[in-house]
Amino acid sequence: QQQVKQSPQSLIVQKGGISIINCAYENTAFDYFPWYQQFPGKGPALLIAIRPDVSEKKEGRFTISFNKSAKQFSLHIMDSQPGDSATYFCAAKYSSASKIIFGSGTRLSIRP
Amino acid sequence: ETGVTQSPTHLIKTRGQQVTLRCSSQSGHNTVSWYQQALGQGPQFIFQYYREEENGRGNFPPRFSGLQFPNYSSELNVNALELDDSALYLCASSLEGSFRETQYFGPGTRLLVL
Repeated sequence: QQQVKQSPQSLIVQKGGISIINCAYENTAFDYFPWYQQFPGKGPALLIAIRPDVSEKKEGRFTISFNKSAKQFSLHIMDSQPGDSATYFCAAKYSSASKIIFGSGTRLSIRP
Repeated sequence: ETGVTQSPTHLIKTRGQQVTLRCSSQSGHNTVSWYQQALGQGPQFIFQYYREEENGRGNFPPRFSGLQFPNYSSELNVNALELDDSALYLCASSLEGSFRETQYFGPGTRLLVL
């Protein structure tokens, strides 16, 4: 059962453009939504996270938009750079559970 | 870079063998979670250890087992290896009780079962 659905599977963006990755979840008990960035040969690194009582969170060039009623959230990367080329995972968790549930990942490539 | 370390970095085993993977948590963290990441997929939760006891388990068979030691380091043991066990095994540490328990991942151990 896929509780967090992520799209697109892969994405190519020109340098300086905006990268947008979308996720949808099913379980309304989720109360923590992190995004992870993973480079080849490395473990996932926490990028930014949001709670469901906030509609938007911005950290530098990275912004999470959250739509609680639609059960959807998205990551926007502004002014995308070649160094942003990586695989991005959205995820969800609820406080009483020990596990993070990951989406299937989006492979992002930024063309110079 | 997080302070989570894992060993070994790579490992090759044959079907039916047993394997032990090791993880040292980030300083100050008392909880360790293990995940399996198959090629091209997101990590899947195996189990979590807190205060040396299993604190939640994902949909993995009993041949996946673990330990946590008093210094909070942890081991993942897999018996009777199968070809489908080939994956990147990730360890993540966190501080139980911290707000929503942000988990910090190590670099992983790449296991290949032949």
